[in-house]
Amino acid sequence: AAGVIQSPRHLIKEKRETATLKCYPIPRHDTVYWYQQGPGQDPQFLISFYEKMQSDKGSIPDRFSAQQFSDYHSELNMSSLELGDSALYFCASSSQVRETQYFGPGTRLLVL
Amino acid sequence: SQQGEEDPQALSIQEGENATMNCSYKTSINNLQWYRQNSGRGLVHLILIRSNEREKHSGRLRVTLDTSKKSSSLLITASRAADTASYFCATDANNNAGNMLTFGGGTRLMVKP
Repeated sequence: AAGVIQSPRHLIKEKRETATLKCYPIPRHDTVYWYQQGPGQDPQFLISFYEKMQSDKGSIPDRFSAQQFSDYHSELNMSSLELGDSALYFCASSSQVRETQYFGPGTRLLVL
Repeated sequence: SQQGEEDPQALSIQEGENATMNCSYKTSINNLQWYRQNSGRGLVHLILIRSNEREKHSGRLRVTLDTSKKSSSLLITASRAADTASYFCATDANNNAGNMLTFGGGTRLMVKP
């Protein structure tokens, strides 16, 4: 069965650079979520989209923005990167609100 | 503050034994989901239990939910070395517009062969 696809899987950036993470949800899933997991920490919710509209917003810095496109894929844009942004970034998708969220393999971002 | 907190933080057992992990949360929920994560890897969905359900089974997994105590437990029976991982509970709270998940602290399970 198709899973959530994230790209790239690994990313190394310098401080103050920008990064774009991509997420391709499971086919026919209309809801996408972004989570950030720092080293040794729990995943923290950043933002979600339902039918291309933002549905929930968590602890997402103002330096970050995201959107969901007409084909339901989503992109997380991160600017003015800081050392503390180094983390695993997960995308998840679900077929409806309040249903099981299936997570992608994550993008490991390292900011030097 | 954390919506969900897990207990114990770490658990070490022998292969074949049962492992029980507990999760507590603070607000009323729509559902609670359990996930497994191998070190530095993705989150694998195990079970979703809704607020009107009390118990659910999936293979060697048994999940209970007590909404009066705002707690849930995950039981893994006849554990295997391959069950070694971190286990997280995540709650979908009633006051969410969408269904953002709030994760607990996770239990690191080690199953010794």
